[in-house]
Amino acid sequence: DIQMTQSPSSVSASVGDRVTITCRASQGISSWLAWYQQKPGKAPKLLIYAASSLQSGVPSRFSGSGSGTDFTLTISSLQPEDFATYYCQQANSFPSITFGQGTRLEIK
Amino acid sequence: QVTLKESGPVLVKPTETLTLTCTVSGFSLSNARMGVSWIRQPPGKALEWLAHIFSNDEKSYSTSLKSRLTISKDTSKSQVVLTMTNMDPVDTATYYCARINAAAGPDFDYWGQGTLVTVSS
Repeated sequence: DIQMTQSPSSVSASVGDRVTITCRASQGISSWLAWYQQKPGKAPKLLIYAASSLQSGVPSRFSGSGSGTDFTLTISSLQPEDFATYYCQQANSFPSITFGQGTRLEIK
Repeated sequence: QVTLKESGPVLVKPTETLTLTCTVSGFSLSNARMGVSWIRQPPGKALEWLAHIFSNDEKSYSTSLKSRLTISKDTSKSQVVLTMTNMDPVDTATYYCARINAAAGPDFDYWGQGTLVTVSS
């Protein structure tokens, strides 16, 4: 199975900060990567698919980049509603799917 | 409007079989390149994909849980059913169903609210 490793596991930041979260695949996955946001007690929400495509309705402050094994999710200017846990997900080995372990974004 | 909703028991005993139902609306289970997946999340832990089923009845399972899982669908009822045998306390988790859009990512573009299943005697 392809393993997905996110870093950092948690990060503290302030409103208005620029934040970058990294996801590394154990082998090349082309651009078959998605990013999700999950708030406590809620289902995950799709933010980015195909590594860099913004899901409809998602604010443009969210962006994704990368290909192969290294990917990033960037939030250009943190808003209060962005404090949540973020997960990456690979689909290169589709139908097998794996998620990263999550990155918790906390208020500083 | 696409919606998914999970239903099933909130408490199961060790060794029992869990049966969960996902009822969908706003799309058809016969849509090509769309499917429904089950994903779980133990309390405070990460997401874990369990199984998919697609319009052509093609099914896929997590390698680590394959021997315990069965996924099926009833297109006329817009329902997808997941069974997991031999439940253990480590299977305590919130179980989500989600639509998988194989035409895009593939990725999970719509999710149910989730249902918490506790395994305890």
